[in-house]
Amino acid sequence: EVQLVESGGGEVQPGRSLRLSCTTSGFTFTDHAMSWVRQAPGKGLEWVSFIRSKRYTGNTEYAASVKGRFTISRDDSKSVAYLQMNSLQTEDTAVYYCARAVRLATGGVRYYFDYWGQGTLVTVTS
Amino acid sequence: EIVMTQSPATLSVSPGERATLSCRASQSVSTSLAWYQQKPGQAPRLLIYGASTRATGIPARFSGSGSGTEFTLTISSLQSEDFAVYYCQQYSNWPPWTFGQGTKVEFK
Repeated sequence: EVQLVESGGGEVQPGRSLRLSCTTSGFTFTDHAMSWVRQAPGKGLEWVSFIRSKRYTGNTEYAASVKGRFTISRDDSKSVAYLQMNSLQTEDTAVYYCARAVRLATGGVRYYFDYWGQGTLVTVTS
Repeated sequence: EIVMTQSPATLSVSPGERATLSCRASQSVSTSLAWYQQKPGQAPRLLIYGASTRATGIPARFSGSGSGTEFTLTISSLQSEDFAVYYCQQYSNWPPWTFGQGTKVEFK
């Protein structure tokens, strides 16, 4: 059974840092890209960050709203994906979900997200 | 960035009725379109990808259609467990991956 479990959320002051973890099981982690998606209270879904599998370079992508402040990484030996969040702002308050990405290579490379974790709440407040 | 627009914002439906949800992309995404269901306090669940392919374990009452810029999610006979918020997402032009604002399906 595919499982993704986020951890590391909590309450933090503006300007501080937090690192989220996404611990996975039930699939071959090295075969998949991973992504983080967030949801502010009462709002919709916003894609945050993405990391390819090492087989396909391991390169990363970021939403404009977090570029330069957030860093996604992965530890294939532990099947864990991370999101390091620095210089947090009140507008970063949200539930953060990690999601497994499925790679499609016909007609151009694309990824969609098939399994999601239950999320971890990050609250940025003074 | 491709903007996804869903309509209506809220859909009031009685159990057993058909529900039709719409999603429009600001430019063509071909069939690179996914639908997710989200219940309160839960993670999104993938229902449909490739605009019309049901994900593993998704009941046949859920169907997706469309291509280019216009898409539809149909729930043929609404069950009590289907009351939720539904999001469409494009994965054609990335980054960023973009979601619609959601359609809430509520009990009539």
